[in-house]
Amino acid sequence: GQQLNQSPQSMFIQEGEDVSMNCTSSSIFNTWLWYKQEPGEGPVLLIALYKAGELTSNGRLTAQFGITRKDSFLNISASIPSDVGIYFCAETGTASKLTFGTGTRLQVTL
Amino acid sequence: DAMVIQNPRYQVTQFGKPVTLSCSQTLNHNVMYWYQQKSSQAPKLLFHYYDKDFNNEADTPDNFQSRRPNTSFCFLDIRSPGLGDAAMYLCATSRDPAYEQYFGPGTRLTVT
Repeated sequence: GQQLNQSPQSMFIQEGEDVSMNCTSSSIFNTWLWYKQEPGEGPVLLIALYKAGELTSNGRLTAQFGITRKDSFLNISASIPSDVGIYFCAETGTASKLTFGTGTRLQVTL
Repeated sequence: DAMVIQNPRYQVTQFGKPVTLSCSQTLNHNVMYWYQQKSSQAPKLLFHYYDKDFNNEADTPDNFQSRRPNTSFCFLDIRSPGLGDAAMYLCATSRDPAYEQYFGPGTRLTVT
């Protein structure tokens, strides 16, 4: 089945640093989604990408849909403590369901 | 604000005692999903409704059932909860399966 490989698995950074994480797939997708999940809460949609090569920003967040349609990255600039959480990539793919990446756990120290 | 609401946020039930979790949405989306999530793993889809059409995942245990009486509400019924069913249960909606999903805050289920 389809698999999304997400890296890194975890990151420990200092406040103010920039963050970059990515997802790769063995299959071609039509949609890439990036979610953030905080402890005890549901995932919150950050950015949705629908076109190969698309670059989209949401405040300090920037994500791109890879030109090969098999990868995507998410960048966070000037990290702050409230950026802490688990970031999941996901794709809608086929069969009417999301396939999630394995998640990147982000910790921000002061 | 349009949103996905889940009640209760925390639910404690006894081993084998039926429990129902609820989800409502004000987004008027056609599709509603139920996911199970355990300890920092990615959410795992249990089933979804596309309008009134129910779609069960092949590996969802028979112990889990769902009802969607109208567009706005969807329920997850666990007929005989086991200790292994303790998890976060997430409801999500989308206007179409090809589009992004919006999640509720989740219900944390504890089985004693």
